[in-house]
Amino acid sequence: DGGITQSPKYLFRKEGQNVTLSCEQNLNHDAMYWYRQDPGQGLRLIYYSQIVNDFQKGDIAEGYSVSREKKESFPLTVTSAQKNPTAFYLCASSIGPLESNEQYFGPGTRLTVT
Amino acid sequence: AQSVAQPEDQVNVAEGNPLTVKCTYSVSGNPYLFWYVQYPNRGLQFLLKYITGDNLVKGSYGFEAEFNKSQTSFHLKKPSALVSDSALYFCAVRTTNTDKLIFGTGTRLQVFP
Repeated sequence: DGGITQSPKYLFRKEGQNVTLSCEQNLNHDAMYWYRQDPGQGLRLIYYSQIVNDFQKGDIAEGYSVSREKKESFPLTVTSAQKNPTAFYLCASSIGPLESNEQYFGPGTRLTVT
Repeated sequence: AQSVAQPEDQVNVAEGNPLTVKCTYSVSGNPYLFWYVQYPNRGLQFLLKYITGDNLVKGSYGFEAEFNKSQTSFHLKKPSALVSDSALYFCAVRTTNTDKLIFGTGTRLQVFP
């Protein structure tokens, strides 16, 4: 899983509560990404950031928020507005935003909301 | 719209036999193609990528993939499968027209001893 850490590995929350997932990288990568993985659906992009203090919505940004105040950190907040938040969340980074750069993934956080 | 298809949900192969995991893509512009592997409850690991040049790309753990522009395919191959290769494999594509990496739905590879 390279130099990307995600914490915690498992997270349980009650419906209606916001929760923040941590993602830290020590690879000196400029670009960072958040994906959601559900069984049989592959990975779907939530938010991405190509540089500090800037980020863009991905395909399924509703109900999520992010910040990128430091190069090494890209936390994801799952808000109560997210209708179906239970999923496996993956953070990734790449050396830069170029299309030829591969992404490196963290170990993931499994969020369960009841 | 850009897309990636992995037509097989699961591939079963005996240990020692060659394996192929299929991937086809649909993009406008030149594709940049990637393969990743995921073990249970883990993140994805990068295996290999095609950017340009030689159509046969070699990657980690003895895997290789062949880019076929006319068939818009990028199949993952390995000459001799190991039980430890059993995992979920994802194909992904990106082009210069987009900021996003588009993933297939994944193929589960099961290697039997």
